[in-house]
Amino acid sequence: DTAVSQTPKYLVTQMGNDKSIKCEQNLGHDTMYWYKQDSKKFLKIMFSYNNKELIINETVPNRFSPKSPDKAHLNLHINSLELGDSAVYFCASSQEGQGSTEAFFGQGTRLTVV
Amino acid sequence: GEDVEQSLFLSVREGDSSVINCTYTDSSSTYLYWYKQEPGAGLQLLTYIFSNMDMKQDQRLTVLLNKKDKHLSLRIADTQTGDSAIYFCAERLLKLSFGAGTTVTVRA
Repeated sequence: DTAVSQTPKYLVTQMGNDKSIKCEQNLGHDTMYWYKQDSKKFLKIMFSYNNKELIINETVPNRFSPKSPDKAHLNLHINSLELGDSAVYFCASSQEGQGSTEAFFGQGTRLTVV
Repeated sequence: GEDVEQSLFLSVREGDSSVINCTYTDSSSTYLYWYKQEPGAGLQLLTYIFSNMDMKQDQRLTVLLNKKDKHLSLRIADTQTGDSAIYFCAERLLKLSFGAGTTVTVRA
């Protein structure tokens, strides 16, 4: 059973389109994240949700809109895609509170904008 | 990545030890982590250390924490070809902040 699953794994689309990436976790965690990994492998947090509420928004363009219908899901919708949006997007989840609060990552969605 | 820094590349011979270094800026970090990313895959937690510890050993992995210098290192003993990957150091405050990753290449 995959703990954090993202779909699709690959996404190729044209500039200007709107696309969504879905993420689901079956770990019972209360916090979910979206990270962007660029071509240099640099990993940067975009959003964090705790119990469906947005707690971190790291100066991401408002073309990116996360949506958390419940605490097991965090989807990412991107409007008017640009070439610079090409990257690998990782979803992750963790359980906040006591302990190591390690994050579990999905396999990533490789987005290519042409 | 601005708060966590790592060297970008490390080449090591199979069977030797690898040492990956990391510096972080915020002394109030509670936990520090090492994640491994294999090609085409997501990040997997390798190990972590609580900030009140100096060292943690887990089989071939040894983590050293120098809190005064805000320096974290990961030593992999008897490095194998399967250890070739990108290794990310991360600190936890309100969020997980990652370094830029160290690409480790193991040569025969």
